[in-house]
Amino acid sequence: GNSVTQMEGPVTLSEEAFLTINCTYTATGYPSLFWYVQYPGEGLQLLLKATKADDKGSNKGFEATYRKETTSFHLEKGSVQVSDSAVYFCALSHASGGSYIPTFGRGTSLIVHP
Amino acid sequence: DADVTQTPRNRITKTGKRIMLECSQTKGHDRMYWYRQDPGLGLRLIYYSFDVKDINKGEISDGYSVSRQAQAKFSLSLESAIPNQTALYFCATSDLKGPQHFGDGTRLSIL
Repeated sequence: GNSVTQMEGPVTLSEEAFLTINCTYTATGYPSLFWYVQYPGEGLQLLLKATKADDKGSNKGFEATYRKETTSFHLEKGSVQVSDSAVYFCALSHASGGSYIPTFGRGTSLIVHP
Repeated sequence: DADVTQTPRNRITKTGKRIMLECSQTKGHDRMYWYRQDPGLGLRLIYYSFDVKDINKGEISDGYSVSRQAQAKFSLSLESAIPNQTALYFCATSDLKGPQHFGDGTRLSIL
């Protein structure tokens, strides 16, 4: 079946540091890939997405590239801010028996210190 | 107004009580989902529905039931609540292939 594996947290960084959160997936064919962010006390919200190989999703300074050869969708940001502190979820959506059932990773907590 | 609204936002109840969590959406999506979130376990799918007459079990449906009253409404029930059902519950909607849209969650505590 489909699965998503992302690095365990928490990831602790100083403001303006470079961020990478690794995400790899298992699925047949070409799933759509997503990163969601969850701020404290809120639901998940879509951060970025990519729907085919070599696509780059980007939003709010975050980027992730769909790498079919390595089945990865790593999240990066060049300079994090305190306001980026949140939990980040990698997810995929892929047809399984004709149904597109989403699969989520376990989430990675990011803590950014001033 | 929020696109996906969950009520209540917080609930404390006792073991054995029946609980209903409600979700309504204005996105016009056919697909609706219920998840629970526990620390370290991420999101786990409880039930999902692809249209009004369609109900499907997710990976952890035992102890839960759902009702899809209309395209815009999807409720989750705990028939006889137990303490290990204490968690944060999320409703979400989507179209066929697109991303999911989440409510702000219901924090449920069962004593």
